[in-house]
Amino acid sequence: DVKVTQSSRYLVKRTGEKVFLECVQDMDHENMFWYRQDPGLGLRLIYFSYDVKMKEKGDIPEGYSVSREKKERFSLILESASTNQTSMYLCASGTEGAQETQYFGPGTRLLVL
Amino acid sequence: GENVEQHPSTLSVQEGDSAVIKCTYSDSASNYFPWYKQELGKGPQLIIDIRSNVGEKKDQRIAVTLNKTAKHFSLHITETQPEDSAVYFCAASTGNNDMRFGAGTRLTVKP
Repeated sequence: DVKVTQSSRYLVKRTGEKVFLECVQDMDHENMFWYRQDPGLGLRLIYFSYDVKMKEKGDIPEGYSVSREKKERFSLILESASTNQTSMYLCASGTEGAQETQYFGPGTRLLVL
Repeated sequence: GENVEQHPSTLSVQEGDSAVIKCTYSDSASNYFPWYKQELGKGPQLIIDIRSNVGEKKDQRIAVTLNKTAKHFSLHITETQPEDSAVYFCAASTGNNDMRFGAGTRLTVKP
């Protein structure tokens, strides 16, 4: 089975803090994704990566950055957390090609005070 | 870019009844349409998908239909059970890392 793990299930941070969310997949997938999930808005893509050290902006990249130093690990960074970044963050991984199925981690619920 | 709309946002059915969730998409180049189920406290899990060269696909109590001309696709769950209660997401993709998701449908199956 594909396994995508996220470093934390719940996080509480203060405004202005630097926040790291880590994601690891064990299926040697080329593609990895970060989404945020908010009620009524579904899943919105923040960033994705199709290879080590490669990244592409999604629909809502402002206020976020990412890092992919190893194929299995994709990190989401909030340089200076703000209250409007309180959300559920979901990481996913997937293979290349037309099938493009994505496999999700359990999510990290982030609260910024 | 792709825009996916999903209806209804909430759906309540009696156990044993059928449930239908509908999605429309905007990009005629989209060719892959997965459906995900998200249970409380978990990430979304793929439950069924369909490609554009197929009009219908079935897996036990779950079926998906696709109408490429009208650019809409639907999820059908028959003989619903309480464990089907979850949030369901549709998505559409052209295969170029551009998958976009609907806003989700919260399905409640009442025993």
